[in-house]
Amino acid sequence: QSVLTQPPSASGTPGQRVTISCSGSDSNIGKKDVRWFQQLPGTAPKLLIYRNSQRPSGVPDRFSGSKSGTSASLAISGLRSEDEADYYCATWDDSLSGVVFGGGTKVTVL
Amino acid sequence: EVQLVESGGGLVQSGGSLRLSCAASGFSFDSYEMNWVRQAPGKGLEWIAYINSNGNRIYYAASVKGRFTITRDNGKNSLYLQMKSLKAEDTGIYYCVRYLDPWGRGTLVTVSS
Repeated sequence: QSVLTQPPSASGTPGQRVTISCSGSDSNIGKKDVRWFQQLPGTAPKLLIYRNSQRPSGVPDRFSGSKSGTSASLAISGLRSEDEADYYCATWDDSLSGVVFGGGTKVTVL
Repeated sequence: EVQLVESGGGLVQSGGSLRLSCAASGFSFDSYEMNWVRQAPGKGLEWIAYINSNGNRIYYAASVKGRFTITRDNGKNSLYLQMKSLKAEDTGIYYCVRYLDPWGRGTLVTVSS
């Protein structure tokens, strides 16, 4: 059972918008910035979003992040076949004194 | 270019030990916090250990506390994870991470029961 809660799966057709939620608590998302990672099959995770909504250079602006209270979300607009991957949210948890991850969301492009 | 290269993984029997290493390059290693994160086959990401830039603040996940030890050698730009009393559930890919970005390619640890 992950400290951060994500839906196990999400899907959409090419061009659609998909949103992934990440629910936490006061000791993690409520106090700390959230990061999002994309993990393509057989590869290491790659940073998509940091500080809740900032994109590293090279990440398409189709990916956007937001945070409100103890929840965060990742949106993928203009869905493409290459977006099929697992997506994870993560942040620091003050109560646990450690990094906490969501369980991951598998995005399928129909 | 920032690079993190893990090594030391392999097959070990339950109850055995293993030491993972991570060679860092392309950045000022002694200025960054580091983490070890693992991923069991077909499962999600699990954080297991954190160390601050000078090594005097360390945290562990409950699942490995007392069995794993994270250390660093800033003179050698290297991060380590000493693993003891290994269990089958410790099987997975172990990633060295510069705080949370970037990630190394990982090294596979397989614990046979």
